[in-house]
Amino acid sequence: KQEVTQIPAALSVPEGENLVLNCSFTDSAIYNLQWFRQDPGKGLTSLLLIQSSQREQTSGRLNASLDKSSGRSTLYIAASQPGDSATYLCAVRRLVAGNQFYFGTGTSLTVIP
Amino acid sequence: DTAVSQTPKYLVTQMGNDKSIKCEQNLGHDTMYWYKQDSKKFLKIMFSYNNKELIINETVPNRFSPKSPDKAHLNLHINSLELGDSAVYFCASSQVRDGLAGRRVETQYFGPGTRLLVL
Repeated sequence: KQEVTQIPAALSVPEGENLVLNCSFTDSAIYNLQWFRQDPGKGLTSLLLIQSSQREQTSGRLNASLDKSSGRSTLYIAASQPGDSATYLCAVRRLVAGNQFYFGTGTSLTVIP
Repeated sequence: DTAVSQTPKYLVTQMGNDKSIKCEQNLGHDTMYWYKQDSKKFLKIMFSYNNKELIINETVPNRFSPKSPDKAHLNLHINSLELGDSAVYFCASSQVRDGLAGRRVETQYFGPGTRLLVL
């Protein structure tokens, strides 16, 4: 069974700092991994999608890496801004038949102005 | 031009009632999903539909039933609501497409969520 864990559960940083969010999964037989952002009371916004054959994806100040063999992914946020404050979720999709996504419990990020 | 929309946004109801949450996507996607997010923000998939066919049915109570009148809609019906059903329910849709080097890629698009509170 796939289990997805995110560390830390909460993170508070001053504006301008670079930060790393961690995601680990127990079953390396994944199809892809996706990072989402969730704002309070809002839905999920897809940030980055990494295929199982890829090592990283970049979008603006965001960089996501994937090490499938060790069951880890990191989301790097450069030059953090108060607007980055949200909960960040990672989700892995199984390689076997079916469209199941397994979500982590999320990291709540607060960027202090 | 909202991609995935859900109604209602908030739903407060008494235990034992029957309620429905509607979901619509205008992306032309083939697959739609329902997720439940509990108080710890853990998302659990409940159902998915692909071209009106149920392809995943997690071990959720049979009080929950998805209904898909067409490819753009996947509604969630809940009978005999219980206190433990209180949560945020997210609808999502996805489409597999051709990416670089012949890879198949898929991204899920989520609705804004419906916050259900059972009293």
